[in-house]
Amino acid sequence: AQSVTQPDIHITVSEGASLELRCNYSYGATPYLFWYVQSPGQGLQLLLKYFSGDTLVQGIKGFEAEFKRSQSSFNLRKPSVHWSDAAEYFCAVGLTGGGNKLTFGTGTQLKVEL
Amino acid sequence: NAGVTQTPKFRVLKTGQSMTLLCAQDMNHEYMYWYRQDPGMGLRLIHYSVGEGTTAKGEVPDGYNVSRLKKQNFLLGLESAAPSQTSVYFCASKLDQSYNEQFFGPGTRLTVL
Repeated sequence: AQSVTQPDIHITVSEGASLELRCNYSYGATPYLFWYVQSPGQGLQLLLKYFSGDTLVQGIKGFEAEFKRSQSSFNLRKPSVHWSDAAEYFCAVGLTGGGNKLTFGTGTQLKVEL
Repeated sequence: NAGVTQTPKFRVLKTGQSMTLLCAQDMNHEYMYWYRQDPGMGLRLIHYSVGEGTTAKGEVPDGYNVSRLKKQNFLLGLESAAPSQTSVYFCASKLDQSYNEQFFGPGTRLTVL
């Protein structure tokens, strides 16, 4: 069965510093991968997605992620974090067929220090 | 275009009571999903639907029922609420079976006493 691991439950960075959030997946076929962000009391918003092609994908709000098949990873990065980036971030792997269900990681809570 | 909406936003139930959560989408999406979110567990799929009149079980379906009588609506029912069903419930929708994203509603916070 597919699974997603986000090893960091909490991360704190200073505003202006770079950010990398880790995501590892387990899936037998070629995955399609997502990063979502959730602000407090809100629903989930899509940051970026990978389906195929270029392994470095660009998303909204200056985020990017790199798909590394050899490492089964899809890490999220941002060169310079803003205070408004404080939120919870979820990585997800999508199945092909069977309702295209998503399996989510447990999330990483990002705190930004001013 | 409201996207995905959920009703109600908050609800408190007593053990054994029943209720229905409503999800509506105005994007003409075929696929719809119900998730629950609990601290430290991410989102877990309860039930989903791949079209009007269809439903299927997800990862944690026990204690819930769903119906998709109209394409734009997906209802989640709790027949006899239990404290273990205290959670935040999210609905999502997706255009079709191709590679595209799920759009999420704002959530319903349910407390069962």
